[in-house]
Amino acid sequence: GAVVSQHPSWVICKSGTSVKIECRSLDFQATTMFWYRQFPKQSLMLMATSNEGSKATYEQGVEKDKFLINHASLTLSTLTVTSAHPEDSSFYICSARDGLAGVYEQYFGPGTRLTVT
Amino acid sequence: RKEVEQDPGPFNVPEGATVAFNCTYSNSASQSFFWYRQDCRKEPKLLMSVYSSGNEDGRFTAQLNRASQYISLLIRDSKLSDSATYLCVVNRPGNNRKLIWGLGTSLAVNP
Repeated sequence: GAVVSQHPSWVICKSGTSVKIECRSLDFQATTMFWYRQFPKQSLMLMATSNEGSKATYEQGVEKDKFLINHASLTLSTLTVTSAHPEDSSFYICSARDGLAGVYEQYFGPGTRLTVT
Repeated sequence: RKEVEQDPGPFNVPEGATVAFNCTYSNSASQSFFWYRQDCRKEPKLLMSVYSSGNEDGRFTAQLNRASQYISLLIRDSKLSDSATYLCVVNRPGNNRKLIWGLGTSLAVNP
C-alpha cells in the first residue's frame, strides 16, 4: 500500500514553455502533498506544501507565480513550472501524507526529471 | 548552523564491514526522526524511523540521543546492495510538520 505515482517521469522542454507534473496517491487519501526539488549532489529542498482544497504554502525563495500548485482532490496534486528556464532543470519529487497513518509518514513518488533546453 | 547536518562522505567499505553514520539536528523541539535511503537518480525510500529507545531492523540499528541532538545509523555486515546515499531526516515542529533533510551520506560497499 501507500503508492504514489508521478507523471511524467522525465521531460525535456524548451525555454519559455510550461510543464505540468502530476502527483497521485493511488491507494490512500493524501490530505497533504509536498513538492521537493533536488539538484545534483544536493539535498532535497522543500518547495511547497499543498493541502487539499486550499492554497499551497511556499517555502521562502520559491516563486509561487512560477511554480503553480493545485491540489484539487485527495489523490491528485499538480505542479506547473511556468516559463521554464534552464536553471529550472532539476529532479522534482512529490510526497504525500496519508491522513490516516502516522502524522509524519510521507510516501514519495518516483520523481520527474526536468531538462529545460 | 544547518538544521540537519551529516558527513557527506563518501564512505568506502568492503563487503561485510560495519559502518556508522551520524547526524546532528539543531531544533530541540523536533520529535520525529528518520533515515531514508536514496539510490542514484531515484526517489528517497524510508529505511527506518528512529525511536527514543533505539531500534533495530535486521542489519540496521538506529539510535537517538536527544540530549546531544544526535542520531546514528549502524549497518552491520554490509552488502553491495547497501551502496546508496543515506539521508537523515528530522521534522520541523509546526502546523505542517515539515521534514528537514540532511545532505546525505554516500556509502559505497566494495567487493
